Amino acid sequence: DIQMTQSPSSLSASVGDTVTITCRASQTISSHLNWFQHKPGKAPKLLIYGASSLQSGVPSRFSGSGSGTDFTLTISSLQPEDFAIYFCQQNFITSYTFGQGTKLDIK
Amino acid sequence: EVQLLESGGGLVQPGGSLRLSCAASGFTFRNYAMTWVRQGPGNVLQRVSSISGDGYTTDYADSVKGRFTISRDTSKNTLYLHMDNLRADDTAIYYCARCRGFDFWSGSCIEYWGQGNLVTVSS
Repeated sequence: DIQMTQSPSSLSASVGDTVTITCRASQTISSHLNWFQHKPGKAPKLLIYGASSLQSGVPSRFSGSGSGTDFTLTISSLQPEDFAIYFCQQNFITSYTFGQGTKLDIK
Repeated sequence: EVQLLESGGGLVQPGGSLRLSCAASGFTFRNYAMTWVRQGPGNVLQRVSSISGDGYTTDYADSVKGRFTISRDTSKNTLYLHMDNLRADDTAIYYCARCRGFDFWSGSCIEYWGQGNLVTVSS
């Protein structure tokens, strides 16, 4: 299976900050990477697909980049509703492995 | 609006069986592959099983192969996961998820998730 290593595991930031979360695959996955936001008790929400494409309805302050093995999710100008858990997922092969998640909370 | 609502979870003894259901709405069910994902202790996410839009193609994680069966009923817009011979390490929140297209191969999954349903395997 492809291992997905996500960092950091937790992150504290303030409203208005810009934060970056990274995900590294154990082998190349081309651009087959999704980023999700998850709030407790709610369904995870797709933010970015294909490493850099913004899902419809998602604010443009969310952006993704990378290809091959190294990927980045950037959230610019953090809003109060952005404090949540973020995780990556590869869909290059059907095992669909996931990163361990990053908990973003308010500093 | 795409909605996925899981049900059927609960407490079951080791070796027991359980069937999860996922009621889908807001899209043409037969046009999309579907997937079950679980989140166990430690919050590790694991894809459990996937099924194509027509139900003819399925795939399973090695850890559940031979014990779990995925199926779908287009007339009821419902996805199922039948789980047999349950073990303690099957304890998890089980999520129903929709893929982006008819098949679940490279690049297709996951686009939408349900809120999850807890399965606890314990004596």
